Amino acid sequence: GAGVSQSPSNKVTEKGKDVELRCDPISGHTALYWYRQSLGQGLEFLIYFQGNSAPDKSGLPSDRFSAERTGGSVSTLTIQRTQQEDSAVYLCASSWGSYNEQFFGPGTRLTVL
Amino acid sequence: RKEVEQDPGPFNVPEGATVAFNCTYSNSASQSFFWYRQDCRKEPKLLMSVYSSGNEDGRFTAQLNRASQYISLLIRDSKLSDSATYLCVVKGPPNSNSGYALNFGKGTSLLVTP
Repeated sequence: GAGVSQSPSNKVTEKGKDVELRCDPISGHTALYWYRQSLGQGLEFLIYFQGNSAPDKSGLPSDRFSAERTGGSVSTLTIQRTQQEDSAVYLCASSWGSYNEQFFGPGTRLTVL
Repeated sequence: RKEVEQDPGPFNVPEGATVAFNCTYSNSASQSFFWYRQDCRKEPKLLMSVYSSGNEDGRFTAQLNRASQYISLLIRDSKLSDSATYLCVVKGPPNSNSGYALNFGKGTSLLVTP
């Protein structure tokens, strides 16, 4: 079946611009996660959605980052006023339930010039 | 100090060699442990879960030592296709706010050469 999809696959933007990254989870998966993988930093957790519960935003690095999940399916991660240190690969994952295997999408490679 | 520590490598080994990766974690409340594999410019994929009793999947053996907070992965008879980055991952106990987010090490790079 279809896996997690993300768009765009690559995004180049100028410092100060806003960007939106999209994630389509596996159909039926109730939990959705965003992670960021920066060069030399490894993967770090950003935000978690489970069903209709309030999201866990504890991993978001600043208030320039926000995410929403509409209809319990598609999620959008928004970064406002991008900075060069935001350059990274943003990975989305989904799972059936909070404690089951997480399946990752191919990621969006963001470059801020 | 990062919660999950790994030797970054790279480990360069010939085909057929046995190679071992180690990982330590700092949160003694961690409950679930995994090894993920990540190919260059690809997403991470689950390789295997790690259990206290140790577990084996073909050429791969994973071990967990809770007392030492230490996880290992052994690859026997390595193949060219094993070349990748191996990520050590831990999760906290269920019903805690660390019970669902994966906590990744920075990864160990493996290159298997002919």
